Amino acid sequence: NAGVTQTPKFRVLKTGQSMTLLCAQDMNHEYMYWYRQDPGMGLRLIHYSVGEGTTAKGEVPDGYNVSRLKKQNFLLGLESAAPSQTSVYFCASSYRRATQETQYFGPGTRLLVL
Amino acid sequence: TQLLEQSPQFLSIQEGENLTVYCNSSSVFSSLQWYRQEPGEGPVLLVTVVTGGEVKKLKRLTFQFGDARKDSSLHITAAQPGDTGLYLCAGGDYQLIWGAGTKLIIKP
Repeated sequence: NAGVTQTPKFRVLKTGQSMTLLCAQDMNHEYMYWYRQDPGMGLRLIHYSVGEGTTAKGEVPDGYNVSRLKKQNFLLGLESAAPSQTSVYFCASSYRRATQETQYFGPGTRLLVL
Repeated sequence: TQLLEQSPQFLSIQEGENLTVYCNSSSVFSSLQWYRQEPGEGPVLLVTVVTGGEVKKLKRLTFQFGDARKDSSLHITAAQPGDTGLYLCAGGDYQLIWGAGTKLIIKP
């Protein structure tokens, strides 16, 4: 039982490049989330999903897209990376809505955009 | 807009000392969660408080939810190096709002 896994662990991009971050969970959770964590700012919600095939915008969605084609996977895409997207990205999942339930986090992906 | 402010931002103390960190808001929350995050890892849930005035204990950690459900505190008794980490509070009715965290270092 791996919980929540994220791929890759670390990536360096040049401005304008694209990439996809992969999140996988093996707990059969309905809800999945993508956050970014920046120093002194806590976690900010980028996008989330309440079930397979559904996605919704969070607090800071601009510059990101997501897809949830399979229940266990949640992909985060950066179409044209910018230095402002340098951050640590965390994926999380929960059985019910996060405000009522434990969220389980992955280990994070550290992204540097030059 | 709901906001959560955590204080202090940073705390470094000696092993064996007691400490309290705070999570405050001007808004009422239906519940608050406390997470601990260690370097290079994702946050891990410690506790959820849901009732005004509620006190929950987790070994040497004591969590309290304010009577008005606008604030919460975390008290650690006899801190140990293993308590080192970033302590985050989070709450919200539909989407979680996160505080910026208190970075705690316990020196042996």
